[in-house]
Amino acid sequence: DARVTQTPRHKVTEMGQEVTMRCQPILGHNTVFWYRQTMMQGLELLAYFRNRAPLDDSGMPKDRFSAEMPDATLATLKIQPSEPRDSAVYFCASGLVQKQETQYFGPGTRLLVL
Amino acid sequence: QKEVEQNSGPLSVPEGAIASLNCTYSDRGSQSFFWYRQYSGKSPELIMSIYSNGDKEDGRFTAQLNKASQYVSLLIRDSQPSDSATYLCAVGSSGGSYIPTFGRGTSLIVHP
Repeated sequence: DARVTQTPRHKVTEMGQEVTMRCQPILGHNTVFWYRQTMMQGLELLAYFRNRAPLDDSGMPKDRFSAEMPDATLATLKIQPSEPRDSAVYFCASGLVQKQETQYFGPGTRLLVL
Repeated sequence: QKEVEQNSGPLSVPEGAIASLNCTYSDRGSQSFFWYRQYSGKSPELIMSIYSNGDKEDGRFTAQLNKASQYVSLLIRDSQPSDSATYLCAVGSSGGSYIPTFGRGTSLIVHP
């Protein structure tokens, strides 16, 4: 049963600390999306990769956030330094360019920054 | 700024009734439209996609699209308590590269 995996599932940290979230897309998928979900803003797109190349990161605060795909099986999202307003659920989703409508979401990382 | 608007609800319907969820969007060039279901504490799950004006049916779900009026809706027939969830409308961007904009979702409660 292929699925997107994300680690960690929960993270509590103090303001100013670095946070790294990891995502393993479904094997064979060539698109990866990072989203952030809060009650106030809903689901926001942070970054979009196609064939490991970043195509859109316009929704990501560049001063503290960074997203990479070091290889086809791993996507990372880093926050440095973290702030309380970064507290949210971060979802990774993967899919196929050929079937752009189908995104498979991972279980999410629940981040709390104190 | 591309916008997707949904009534946050909650929409409360009795078991067996038809639940009607609506969504409007601002990008007139959008060509792809999606409905996701998200249970509390879980991740979104795609349940319907629609690309052409009119209705598309899948089991108890019917998606309706009207591009001229820029709205898309989701009907759930014979609503069940297990349908209680938040329903997210997503609209694909115009211009070729699919990047969705999500609405904030409508909370649906189906009571026995």
